[in-house]
Amino acid sequence: GAVVSQHPSRVICKSGTSVKIECRSLDFQATTMFWYRQFPKQSLMLMATSNEGSKATYEQGVEKDKFLINHASLTLSTLTVTSAHPEDSSFYICSARDGSVSSYNSPLHFGNGTRLTVT
Amino acid sequence: AQTVTQSQPEMSVQEAETVTLSCTYDTSESNYYLFWYKQPPSRQMILVIRQEAYKQQNATENRFSVNFQKAAKSFSLKISDSQLGDTAMYFCAFLYTGNQFYFGTGTSLTVIP
Repeated sequence: GAVVSQHPSRVICKSGTSVKIECRSLDFQATTMFWYRQFPKQSLMLMATSNEGSKATYEQGVEKDKFLINHASLTLSTLTVTSAHPEDSSFYICSARDGSVSSYNSPLHFGNGTRLTVT
Repeated sequence: AQTVTQSQPEMSVQEAETVTLSCTYDTSESNYYLFWYKQPPSRQMILVIRQEAYKQQNATENRFSVNFQKAAKSFSLKISDSQLGDTAMYFCAFLYTGNQFYFGTGTSLTVIP
């Protein structure tokens, strides 16, 4: 089955520093990847849609200068939280769809998530 | 805009019993797809089952089945013979075009031994 690898699984950083999270599709090509944020016991909130070779599309209210997304290849998207603050502490999840499968029926495949703690 | 509603924040079921999780959605589209995802304590999102709106037959995957009522815009998940490993958050999701998935607020299911 389609596997999405997300690293790191946990990261602790100091306030003001930047953190990069990687999302890789291991056995399929993903022209589009998605980044979600999830607060405890809440649903997934879509932050942005990452498109290979072009700029990401951010959801309303998400600061694109704080959450930098790069999708340089068909198998890798990165999310960089710049100048992190304690309020950025959260669980971040990436997901992707297999570009070779009919797009209307292919499900999202999720990474294992990254728990970010900003001290 | 599409909305997905899960009206049961928490549910519990005895091991080996059957439980049904509800999901309703609002859309003006006629062709779309519906999914149920499971998120256990490990936080990994796992696809449980999916349904195409143009198919009248309800999808089934082993112990998991759906009751899809298109006119009522309802998409409930039935778990038969509940197992301890079914304890998780369950999210209903809606997809109608392109890549935009809409997730419900989730139902926390606890299977009691």
